[in-house]
Amino acid sequence: KNQVEQSPQSLIILEGKNCTLQCNYTVSPFSNLRWYKQDTGRGPVSLTIMTFSENTKSNGRYTATLDADTKQSSLHITASQLSDSASYICVVRSLILTGGGNKLTFGTGTQLKVEL
Amino acid sequence: EAQVTQNPRYLITVTGKKLTVTCSQNMNHEYMSWYRQDPGLGLRQIYYSMNVEATDKGDVPEGYKVSRKEKRNFPLILESPSPNQTSLYFCASSSSRGQGGRYTGELFFGEGSRLTVL
Repeated sequence: KNQVEQSPQSLIILEGKNCTLQCNYTVSPFSNLRWYKQDTGRGPVSLTIMTFSENTKSNGRYTATLDADTKQSSLHITASQLSDSASYICVVRSLILTGGGNKLTFGTGTQLKVEL
Repeated sequence: EAQVTQNPRYLITVTGKKLTVTCSQNMNHEYMSWYRQDPGLGLRQIYYSMNVEATDKGDVPEGYKVSRKEKRNFPLILESPSPNQTSLYFCASSSSRGQGGRYTGELFFGEGSRLTVL
């Protein structure tokens, strides 16, 4: 069964500090992995996409890594800001085609709170 | 501005009273989908549509209906709502075609509709 597990479930850090969120998946065969940011009361927005051949990708203060061998991804946030407070959701796409296209498996998210 | 628009954003209703949550996108996307989001369970797919007049069940379709008569609209219908359908609902769309020839599969989400069924 395809699964995506995220850790920690929640995290509180001080403004300016760095943090790393983890995503472990069992989805196979693997197509790509996206990290979404969901602000409270808003819809998720894509931060970055990782494909099989990519190890690291940055988007401003966000850096995602992918280890396709161990089926792990991480999202590193540098010099956190209050606006980084949100839920971060890992979504893995399978290469298997269903009637709805490639199957997506969602993680339950990591709730990050950045405090002064 | 490219966007997915859902209405209503908030709704409180009673058991058994039919309701419709509308969803419209202005990006000419072929793929549209509905999700519900519950604490600890994450986003779960209710129904999806690959294109006009092409809809199919997702992982949790019981108690819901959809239609896709126009490319831009994908309403979610609760014929007889029950308290276990109290949830936060998201509509999303995606292009079946890639950018620059490369398919990315990025989902564009609406702002969400918080539904409470008493």
